[in-house]
Amino acid sequence: DAMVIQNPRYQVTQFGKPVTLSCSQTLNHNVMYWYQQKSSQAPKLLFHYYDKDFNNEADTPDNFQSRRPNTSFCFLDIRSPGLGDAAMYLCATSRAGASYEQYFGPGTRLTVT
Amino acid sequence: GQQLNQSPQSMFIQEGEDVSMNCTSSSIFNTWLWYKQDPGEGPVLLIALYKAGELTSNGRLTAQFGITRKDSFLNISASIPSDVGIYFCAGRATGTASKLTFGTGTRLQVTL
Repeated sequence: DAMVIQNPRYQVTQFGKPVTLSCSQTLNHNVMYWYQQKSSQAPKLLFHYYDKDFNNEADTPDNFQSRRPNTSFCFLDIRSPGLGDAAMYLCATSRAGASYEQYFGPGTRLTVT
Repeated sequence: GQQLNQSPQSMFIQEGEDVSMNCTSSSIFNTWLWYKQDPGEGPVLLIALYKAGELTSNGRLTAQFGITRKDSFLNISASIPSDVGIYFCAGRATGTASKLTFGTGTRLQVTL
């Protein structure tokens, strides 16, 4: 089945230790998104890629970076995680055009110790 | 920026009851999406709406795109225990490319 996959599902990192979260998709969608979600709040968009074009949200901290080496994969890098970065990180994809339906992966729960 | 007000914030209902929730926007939206999120999982798309006045069903779920284009409604008929979760509306406003604005969520709990 076509899907959005996130690895790992659970990630523990130490304060200040860089961490990378991974997302892959088999939907062949050209747009990929990274969201941060805390405590059952609404997902908060960090950035998205439209093909290879990177679009950062104005309020996304510089501590968060992203890479998209090809259509299928997208990575979220947190350069120096703080305690406040503990959250669920969601990857989503969509096909650009008239349909803006976004399909989410299962998420990665990040814990910072 | 756009804001989406979703209500109610939470609701407790008995199995078999019907449920209604809604989202209102301060801006005109041209797409409305409804998602359900289970604990520890990503949101799952339930229904997508693209035209003002559109009424779409998915099993026991029915959603409507408000005619003012500033609101949307989700109804769940004959609720069952597995309906428990958080329901999010999301909308896309004109000129925002692929970005969605999410509602604050409605937490649904179903008692037997």
